[in-house]
Amino acid sequence: DTGVSQDPRHKITKRGQNVTFRCDPISEHNRLYWYRQTLGQGPEFLTYFQNEAQLEKSRLLSDRFSAERPKGSFSTLEIQRTEQGDSAMYLCASSLGLAGVAGELFFGEGSRLTVL
Amino acid sequence: GENVEQHPSTLSVQEGDSAVIKCTYSDSASNYFPWYKQELGKRPQLIIDIRSNVGEKKDQRIAVTLNKTAKHFSLHITETQPEDSAVYFCAASPSSNQAGTALIFGKGTTLSVSS
Repeated sequence: DTGVSQDPRHKITKRGQNVTFRCDPISEHNRLYWYRQTLGQGPEFLTYFQNEAQLEKSRLLSDRFSAERPKGSFSTLEIQRTEQGDSAMYLCASSLGLAGVAGELFFGEGSRLTVL
Repeated sequence: GENVEQHPSTLSVQEGDSAVIKCTYSDSASNYFPWYKQELGKRPQLIIDIRSNVGEKKDQRIAVTLNKTAKHFSLHITETQPEDSAVYFCAASPSSNQAGTALIFGKGTTLSVSS
């Protein structure tokens, strides 16, 4: 399967613990996005990379959230000191685009986080 | 930043009827407007998109229209079928002062097609 893959698919944790999600984009895609989706809502933008550079972060993104894409390939999203409000589906997406031109996002299956 | 409003939140139609979903956006610099379909338990997938240099685009039973002056765009599905039942999201891509853009999504419309 050459699509976007995410790991783990499900994570249950206790409040206050740290969690990390991994995303492997489609290999030739230079852009990688993280979104959060809760039930009945659209994907909420968190952050975005072009190659290894983090170009944009949502103003809604708490300091507890950090993302990396060290070599311009896979990415990790870490949530520190999790809170119950962090419970959501975390979606990763990748795309191939020229500078300044948006293109189709290919989404992964998502990582579902439950904070008890 | 960009804000995308989507209406209605739910839409029920009979098989064969048409369905229309409308979205408005706030950033006049947005220039890319895709629509995604998300079936229950699955990932969102692109069904059609439009860029700001055209006013309408069609793909078989699906069409999208864009009114840049009014800052709204719409999804039209004709001859609906039960397999069209899903959640549909509109999105807009604002301009950025750096290379690249981030899609901002609406809250979604749950379309139910009954046979």
